[in-house]
Amino acid sequence: NAGVMQNPRHLVRRRGQEARLRCSPMKGHSHVYWYRQLPEEGLKFMVYLQKENIIDESGMPKERFSAEFPKEGPSILRIQQVVRGDSAAYFCASSPPYGPTGSTGNTIYFGEGSWLTVV
Amino acid sequence: KQEVTQIPAALSVPEGENLVLNCSFTDSAIYNLQWFRQDPGKGLTSLLLIQSSQREQTSGRLNASLDKSSGRSTLYIAASQPGDSATYLCAANYGGSQGNLIFGKGTKLSVKP
Repeated sequence: NAGVMQNPRHLVRRRGQEARLRCSPMKGHSHVYWYRQLPEEGLKFMVYLQKENIIDESGMPKERFSAEFPKEGPSILRIQQVVRGDSAAYFCASSPPYGPTGSTGNTIYFGEGSWLTVV
Repeated sequence: KQEVTQIPAALSVPEGENLVLNCSFTDSAIYNLQWFRQDPGKGLTSLLLIQSSQREQTSGRLNASLDKSSGRSTLYIAASQPGDSATYLCAANYGGSQGNLIFGKGTKLSVKP
């Protein structure tokens, strides 16, 4: 069972360009989460998606950032008009659906991250 | 504001030593707390998950405790090995959504042979 797959692992963009980061969840997982890890900072939650739905985007910057998880294909985190401050590691995680009791109980599984460098 | 703090930021110990990593959280209305391991340039690996109704969880040489009233969790590593060298992160879930975790900045552990 392959883990959470992220690509590209490393991406270099010039200021003003667009960055697209892709995430394929583990098999059987329908929940996807994106996190950002800035240099010397902890991981910060960005967005939680299920297929074709954004469930919680409370951590997403208001501008230039968007995320989707289409019915078919990977989840995509899109950053438009990148700036140097966007340079960070972006992690995707996935989890299975809630159990029958409603308890989360499940851990989430992280990918190995996509390192974005804006020059 | 819900915050998670980990002290110390870095720790170096000789091989074989038992050690404790600390995690504190400001809001005691926690749903669960999770400990992760992160190797350089890699993603996170979940080590232990403690539900709010539990006091501790054990896996092999690892034992994690949770004290909601004091807002603290500890990760105990017994008989440390060089392969344990990594950054250890704790993350609090307040039930907003399953994956909306609030992370500490981590403790970077180095176990010297």
